[in-house]
Amino acid sequence: TQLLEQSPQFLSIQEGENLTVYCNSSSVFSSLQWYRQEPGEGPVLLVTVVTGGEVKKLKRLTFQFGDARKDSSLHITAAQPGDTGLYLCAGARSSSNTGKLIFGQGTTLQVKP
Amino acid sequence: NAGVTQTPKFRILKIGQSMTLQCTQDMNHNYMYWYRQDPGMGLKLIYYSVGAGITDKGEVPNGYNVSRSTTEDFPLRLELAAPSQTSVYFCASSLGLAGGQETQYFGPGTRLLVL
Repeated sequence: TQLLEQSPQFLSIQEGENLTVYCNSSSVFSSLQWYRQEPGEGPVLLVTVVTGGEVKKLKRLTFQFGDARKDSSLHITAAQPGDTGLYLCAGARSSSNTGKLIFGQGTTLQVKP
Repeated sequence: NAGVTQTPKFRILKIGQSMTLQCTQDMNHNYMYWYRQDPGMGLKLIYYSVGAGITDKGEVPNGYNVSRSTTEDFPLRLELAAPSQTSVYFCASSLGLAGGQETQYFGPGTRLLVL
């Protein structure tokens, strides 16, 4: 059972377009993270959101945590070829101090010049 | 700092063989994790450790074993390799002070093919 569902699974767009990736669950998470992974490398953290309704911006990337802390979105404005990669959301199920994360299946983004 | 290093980068195993995937971190992190990544499936937690001498199972521990004798090292042992263990394996570490809100730092991965 996939506790975190990401959509879409694959997205191919032209440079300059906007896009949104969704991460949904029926479970509540104490915090949610977004990672970006390039081919042949490990994931790299982009952001952590911890409060329901929280919005964080990282240059052209905007991250939002749902009010009920069950879902999150990643919006990219004016996508660039350098944004190409696999985007993963990951949630922490409880506030227990083990750091265990549940990952979504990922969204592969291809930005064509 | 080298961060999290993993060896080997790539390995081919025959069914029934055993091997150890090495993971070392030089950030003095308390928490370490092993994940496997299959195409289209995200990352699944195999085992994790919150400190030297302490390990626990994750979502998919069957067929694997771990040990944590030092803070720096967290090797993953595969006994009796099976084709279902063909995957990319990632080791990660985090400081261990803020649970799921902390950054996990990942190694570059080990690609394993079991034939």
